[in-house]
Parts: sequence; C-alpha cells; structure tokens
Amino acid sequence: DAGITQSPRHKVTETGTPVTLRCHQTENHRYMYWYRQDPGHGLRLIHYSYGVKDTDKGEVSDGYSVSRSKTEDFLLTLESATSSQTSVYFCAISNDRGEKNTIYFGEGSWLTVV
Amino acid sequence: GDSVTQMEGPVTLSEEAFLTINCTYTATGYPSLFWYVQYPGEGLQLLLKATKADDKGSNKGFEATYRKETTSFHLEKGSVQVSDSAVYFCALRGDTGRRALTFGSGTRLQVQP
Repeated sequence: DAGITQSPRHKVTETGTPVTLRCHQTENHRYMYWYRQDPGHGLRLIHYSYGVKDTDKGEVSDGYSVSRSKTEDFLLTLESATSSQTSVYFCAISNDRGEKNTIYFGEGSWLTVV
Repeated sequence: GDSVTQMEGPVTLSEEAFLTINCTYTATGYPSLFWYVQYPGEGLQLLLKATKADDKGSNKGFEATYRKETTSFHLEKGSVQVSDSAVYFCALRGDTGRRALTFGSGTRLQVQP
C-alpha cells in the first residue's frame, strides 16, 4: 500500500466553522491531490499540488484552500464549512510518467457539516 | 476538457456470469486510462491501467483494452465472484498540464450467489 495517511478520518462540524484535513505521505511523491466523492458525481478534483508551495485549483475549488509547505504534507481547509461540503474527501499522490504513471489514494475522510 | 462516461449502475449479476462495464472518454493528446475499484467504506484501489493505444491492462481476472479509434476502455471479466461486488470507476490522466485523474461517475456491481 502507498504510504498515505489522512486525518481526521471522521469529523462532524457545525456550519460556519473552519475545518482542516491533513494528508501525509511517506513516498516523496511530487504530485498531491484532494478530491471529493459524492453520489452520482464520481470523484471531483478540488485542488492539487505539483511541488512545495506550488498549488492550483480543480473543478470544485470554491470554499476550499490548500497549503503545501513540505513535500510530505498537503492540507485542505474549508474556510467556513457549509452543508454542501458534507462529503468524503480523498487525498491522492503520484509521481510522473512511465511505470510511475499511477495515482494512489488514501482511505478517505468522512466530513459531516450540520 | 477531458471527460469520462461510464455505464449507469447498479449492475446485478449471478456468480460466474460474464461482466462488461462500458467506458468511453474524451481527451486531447495521449491520455493514460485506468480502472479503480472501491469496496464499501474504503478508498480507491488501482485495478488496472493502460498507457497507450492497443495496450491491454489486466489484473485479478479483469481486463480492459485501450481503443483509441473508439475512445473506449471497457472493463471485462469472464466469471465474476461475490467478492467482486464493489463500485468500479473508469478514469483518465492527461499527458500534459496538471496530471490529475478525471473520473466517470462509477458503476456499482452486485454479484449474487
């Protein structure tokens, strides 16, 4: 298994509060991603990173911010949580091309906003 | 932009039946194609992949062939088992830019004894 740890794994929070999800990798991979999974939508990209301090937006980035100050850590912050952000969040990591052209996923963080 | 379309589920089969889950894609350039599987309450596991046209990915009795002429990557298995019950996702990864996966909406497979 790829060395990816997400925390917390489960969280219930109130509307309007900030929430930070952490993704930690031990593989020294360059690329890191945050996806959310919702019924009928598959997985949708929130933000991604292609190196330390290099991040960019995905398709559903509104209401989210990210930071990557070290290769191994990629933080996702919900600035002011809303009920529409209740979802399962997956972190993923990857190197690049050829035989390394595979993206590995963490086990997910279940977030409920009440 | 890139997109992936896969057949709606759920797909319900009897044990030992033949499985096909259709997947088609739209992308520029030369994407890599993937099938991931998700068991209840778990993350996504890579099932198989193909990185260029006419490549066949295979794993655990599943296989899929990268067909550029029909922009397809259909998943097949000759004889399914109850333990294959899961959600299957088709995905592509572009060869330029952000290098992220674009997913289909997933197909739930239920295999009955």
